[in-house]
Amino acid sequence: RKEVEQDPGPFNVPEGATVAFNCTYSNSASQSFFWYRQDCRKEPKLLMSVYSSGNEDGRFTAQLNRASQYISLLIRDSKLSDSATYLCVVNWGTGRRALTFGSGTRLQVQP
Amino acid sequence: DVKVTQSSRYLVKRTGEKVFLECVQDMDHENMFWYRQDPGLGLRLIYFSYDVKMKEKGDIPEGYSVSREKKERFSLILESASTNQTSMYLCASSLTTEAFFGQGTRLTVV
Repeated sequence: RKEVEQDPGPFNVPEGATVAFNCTYSNSASQSFFWYRQDCRKEPKLLMSVYSSGNEDGRFTAQLNRASQYISLLIRDSKLSDSATYLCVVNWGTGRRALTFGSGTRLQVQP
Repeated sequence: DVKVTQSSRYLVKRTGEKVFLECVQDMDHENMFWYRQDPGLGLRLIYFSYDVKMKEKGDIPEGYSVSREKKERFSLILESASTNQTSMYLCASSLTTEAFFGQGTRLTVV
């Protein structure tokens, strides 16, 4: 079983749509959670951290469910520029400083 | 802005060659990482370093070694390149948990 699992997609949605991605993680000791965005042929960049209480950044909302070990990303009013791969990322915390990445979910927003 | 620079965008090497991938960061970050990215497998951690001369194996260290002689520089070494090491290699650095990536090196081993 992969440590961080995501649906690879692609998710093809029209502009203005709302789209949600889920991600599950296997290590219950995981402490920090993030969504990264990776554009085609570019490096990953931090989109947002995910907090236990849920958090919002403009059109983006992230949620964490520790009991079920999943995190989610909701994008409202999709723009063409949102087309990218979204990577679910987990940090195990103490003893391991590196991030563990999911394989990503590809989003294609169509005009 | 944090800058993480990898020495090459594209490399083509022959099987059996010793290959050096270089990475430099300019933000005095303690932590540096090497990942490889393959379709369907995502980013997998090869090695990371949390201080000069300190290193730890990641999930797929076989066939690789690393060197960190200075804080700003972290090198990945393929001792004897093989075709299954053809991949995108990404270097990253971090101070706490947010990682900043270089632009990647696409290595092809023929």
